[in-house]
Amino acid sequence: NAGVTQTPKFQVLKTGQSMTLQCAQDMNHNSMYWYRQDPGMGLRLIYYSASEGTTDKGEVPNGYNVSRLNKREFSLRLESAAPSQTSVYFCASSEAWLITEAFFGQGTRLTVV
Amino acid sequence: GENVEQHPSTLSVQEGDSAVIKCTYSDSASNYFPWYKQELGKGPQLIIDIRSNVGEKKDQRIAVTLNKTAKHFSLHITETQPEDSAVYFCAASMPHEGGSEKLVFGKGTKLTVNP
Repeated sequence: NAGVTQTPKFQVLKTGQSMTLQCAQDMNHNSMYWYRQDPGMGLRLIYYSASEGTTDKGEVPNGYNVSRLNKREFSLRLESAAPSQTSVYFCASSEAWLITEAFFGQGTRLTVV
Repeated sequence: GENVEQHPSTLSVQEGDSAVIKCTYSDSASNYFPWYKQELGKGPQLIIDIRSNVGEKKDQRIAVTLNKTAKHFSLHITETQPEDSAVYFCAASMPHEGGSEKLVFGKGTKLTVNP
């Protein structure tokens, strides 16, 4: 089992460009999450999907959109990238919407110049 | 507001010593408290968790204690080893919209174990 797989691992964007971060899990988990990690800020929830077909805003959703494509896949889209979105992005999944162990991907390091 | 405070931000210990990291949370409805370890270049990985119906949980050299009255919980690592060096995050579950829950993370503690 691969667990949670994120692509790409690294990306450099110019301000105003768009891109989609991909995430897939093979653990048959119902819930999936997108976090961003900034130095000294810990992990902050951007969006989550409690179950297939639902998505909800987290703490810092502005500038992002998400799609729960199916039970396995949860993508994060930046429509018009800004330097403030330079960060490391982590996708995670857990078995159920009630909080259980969350499994994290390896992260995507995004730089917006 | 929803908040998890974590201290210290950095911690340096000698191999074999104990390390303690403390967190406080703001929401009395929180009932799940995991601890994650993040090694350089990797995603966080759960090392231990505790639910509000117990006060302490141990797993070999790692233990977590919870004081719901005071709204704080702590991670204790005994007999530290160089491979314990990493960033550790605490988290607390908090109610979110629509009856769901979310995890709110502390800002992390960088632990360095010196040989």
